Amino acid sequence: DIQMTQSPSSLSASVGDRVTITCQASQDISNYLNWYQQKPGKAPKLLIYDASNLETGVPSRFSGSGSGTDFTFTISSLQPEDIATYYCQQYDNLPRTFGQGTKVEIK
Amino acid sequence: EVQLVESGGGLVQPGGSLRLSCAASGFTFSSYAMHWVRQAPGKGLEYVSAISSNGGSTYYANSVKGRFTISRDNSKNTLYLQMGSLRAEDMAVYYCARERSGSYGNWGQGTLVTVSS
Repeated sequence: DIQMTQSPSSLSASVGDRVTITCQASQDISNYLNWYQQKPGKAPKLLIYDASNLETGVPSRFSGSGSGTDFTFTISSLQPEDIATYYCQQYDNLPRTFGQGTKVEIK
Repeated sequence: EVQLVESGGGLVQPGGSLRLSCAASGFTFSSYAMHWVRQAPGKGLEYVSAISSNGGSTYYANSVKGRFTISRDNSKNTLYLQMGSLRAEDMAVYYCARERSGSYGNWGQGTLVTVSS
């Protein structure tokens, strides 16, 4: 199975700050990577697909980059409604493994 | 509007069985692969199982292989997960998700499975 390592596991930032989360795959997955947002008690929501494509309707402050084994997810200006846990997921191989998640909080 | 609605969760004793359903609407169900993903209380997302659009191919995570069976009824627009020999570590919220080119653009609201004596 492909292992996905996300960091950090949690972070605290101020409104307006730039927030960056990294995800590393245990092997080359090309750009077969998604990013999801999950708020407490809710299902995950797709934000970024194919490593860098913004899902329809998702604010442009969210972005993704990377290919191969190293990926980055960025919130350019953190907003109060962005408080959530964020997960990366690879879909190069089954099982489509997730990172362990990054909990984002407001400082 | 795409809708996925899970049902069938509940309390079951260790070693017991349960069948989850995921009713789909708002899209041509028979054209999409479908997946189950679970989340234990306070934990991250764990991939469980997948089935191709026509039901001809299935996949299981090692943690559930031999105990869970995924199936679908395209005439009823419904996805199923038959769970057997349930263990405490199977306790989780189970989500069904529709695949779109490798991504899960649509999820159900989840159904909670509690395994306890």
